[in-house]
Amino acid sequence: GAVVSQHPSRVICKSGTSVKIECRSLDFQATTMFWYRQFPKKSLMLMATSNEGSKATYEQGVEKDKFLINHASLTLSTLTVTSAHPEDSSFYICSARLTSGPYEQYFGPGTRLTVT
Amino acid sequence: EDKVVQSPLSLVVHEGDTVTLNCSYEVTNFRSLLWYKQEKKAPTFLFMLTSSGIEKKSGRLSSILDKKELFSILNITATQTGDSAIYLCAAANNAGNNRKLIWGLGTSLAVNP
Repeated sequence: GAVVSQHPSRVICKSGTSVKIECRSLDFQATTMFWYRQFPKKSLMLMATSNEGSKATYEQGVEKDKFLINHASLTLSTLTVTSAHPEDSSFYICSARLTSGPYEQYFGPGTRLTVT
Repeated sequence: EDKVVQSPLSLVVHEGDTVTLNCSYEVTNFRSLLWYKQEKKAPTFLFMLTSSGIEKKSGRLSSILDKKELFSILNITATQTGDSAIYLCAAANNAGNNRKLIWGLGTSLAVNP
């Protein structure tokens, strides 16, 4: 149980375009989903907390107009990187927390974004 | 400011060795300490520790939490090459619906044959 999928797993886009990444909880309902960014050999950096039906809470330094998050249902959250630049190239990982559960988060497999 | 510190940052051992990974934390309204293993992709959950002194065990891996001294250790006995990964420690605060994980930088473990 507690499987999270992410799509796409890998995407290459041109500078200036927008990219949407989907995060789905496959076998459970997730009131809260998290979006992380990870640079090579670095730890996870929390970008935002996404709550179903409400606006996402962004961490300090993360531009909400650049990283649009939508959590329209209990099983789906999306992250859209708008007007992507090469410096947005990174590994983006989502996680989901069980609605009625404690604190452990279950992670999706991640999306490798490369902006050329 | 909440923080989680892991040590060592990297470790190289031989198969069969036993390793101990450390995680110390300073977190307001601390609730739980979690360990994850990250190989090539996203982290996979290992343990969640909420109570002091109670060891959690899964095969060759075990972990324990000391809430007085604010640290946790993750032990791996009889290491195998498949244990090579980054081990991440995270502390959960007790902030209701706004609870989140504060992550350490990870320990990169390499197990050589």
